[in-house]
Amino acid sequence: DAKTTQPPSMDCAEGRAANLPCNHSTISGNEYVYWYRQIHSQGPQYIIHGLKNNETNEMASLIITEDRKSSTLILPHATLRDTAVYYCIVMLLSGYSTLTFGKGTMLLVSP
Amino acid sequence: DVKVTQSSRYLVKRTGEKVFLECVQDMDHENMFWYRQDPGLGLRLIYFSYDVKMKEKGDIPEGYSVSREKKERFSLILESASTNQTSMYLCASTRRLAVYNEQFFGPGTRLTVL
Repeated sequence: DAKTTQPPSMDCAEGRAANLPCNHSTISGNEYVYWYRQIHSQGPQYIIHGLKNNETNEMASLIITEDRKSSTLILPHATLRDTAVYYCIVMLLSGYSTLTFGKGTMLLVSP
Repeated sequence: DVKVTQSSRYLVKRTGEKVFLECVQDMDHENMFWYRQDPGLGLRLIYFSYDVKMKEKGDIPEGYSVSREKKERFSLILESASTNQTSMYLCASTRRLAVYNEQFFGPGTRLTVL
């Protein structure tokens, strides 16, 4: 799997948009970008994924650059419950894919 | 609501004990995974299973074994627990041909080996 680089921590005010960047400069053409998060003392939770188009679901939006070397996860209106470690992963869409998390970004949402 | 459950949230065992960690999913998923998560090392795959009675080694299988006798249940076994197996253990499942390849995780078991 391609390696990803994320800032170790970020802060965000409650109600504001949280924009979490991820660099994946060695991503291959058939690898997807996935985002998971892990709230303290809980298992990881899937957020969103994409290949090259921007994606949006009920949790977040994913913006992938045209060259696919970086992406941004956007939480449009961050709440205190969004405080978590956010992991950006690139991997093939395969029935046998396994996850490998790096260190992720610790997002702290403050009142 | 889809669910992956793990038998214990916290477990304390002694060196040399045999330890069983159980994971059950109610989503009829074919694939199940066992990971361990340690500070500074991220998430590492121990074993996974893509069908009943099938298993594949992950990145760090040494000291562990697994059992998948039923589709919904995947057990991780520490034959003789050691202190370096103190960790957070996470079970996950996914449908084999899932469009999203989304893995659903259990709450984790924090195991301490004394």
